[in-house]
Amino acid sequence: AQSVSQHNHHVILSEAASLELGCNYSYGGTVNLFWYVQYPGQHLQLLLKYFSGDPLVKGIKGFEAEFIKSKFSFNLRKPSVQWSDTAEYFCAVNNNDMRFGAGTRLTVKP
Amino acid sequence: EAGVTQFPSHSVIEKGQTVTLRCDPISGHDNLYWYRRVMGKEIKFLLHFVKESKQDESGMPNNRFLAERTGGTYSTLKVQPAELEDSGVYFCASSPRQGGTANTEAFFGQGTRLTVV
Repeated sequence: AQSVSQHNHHVILSEAASLELGCNYSYGGTVNLFWYVQYPGQHLQLLLKYFSGDPLVKGIKGFEAEFIKSKFSFNLRKPSVQWSDTAEYFCAVNNNDMRFGAGTRLTVKP
Repeated sequence: EAGVTQFPSHSVIEKGQTVTLRCDPISGHDNLYWYRRVMGKEIKFLLHFVKESKQDESGMPNNRFLAERTGGTYSTLKVQPAELEDSGVYFCASSPRQGGTANTEAFFGQGTRLTVV
């Protein structure tokens, strides 16, 4: 079955630490890839997306993600996290239907 | 431009009752999705409309759930009769249809938190 896997359920970091959240998918063919974020009390919003071209995509707030086709991965990274990055992060794949991973809760300690 | 709006934001009902959730997508968006998230678990796909047609309803849990999108504008999701396990946050999202596919960014509503007691 097609699926989206996020490896980390809850990540706790101190401010200024580097972040990498894993995402793997099992869809074949062409896919569009997304990372969404949900800050406390807010609704889901787009962080970044990959449709084609440069596999390293940059999003808002200093986030980036790299699409590695051979590994079916789209990991999210940020070199130095801030307390305001505390949120839940969802990887999503669109192959004519948008499907999500289980989400990773990120807690950044000040 | 108005975003995706959902109503109500929170609903508490008793087991066996009926609840209807509403989603108003962004104007002009052909694609409309319903998702559900049970606390701490994944955002689970329920179904996908393209205009008024159900493109994929493989995620609908059972026949107590009925989704409609008459006229291809707003959508409703009715749960009848509600069970305890139906509790969760129900998200709606919409996206434009580009190039004959649905492979575009989806915009989300704030969700409806349903609590069945």
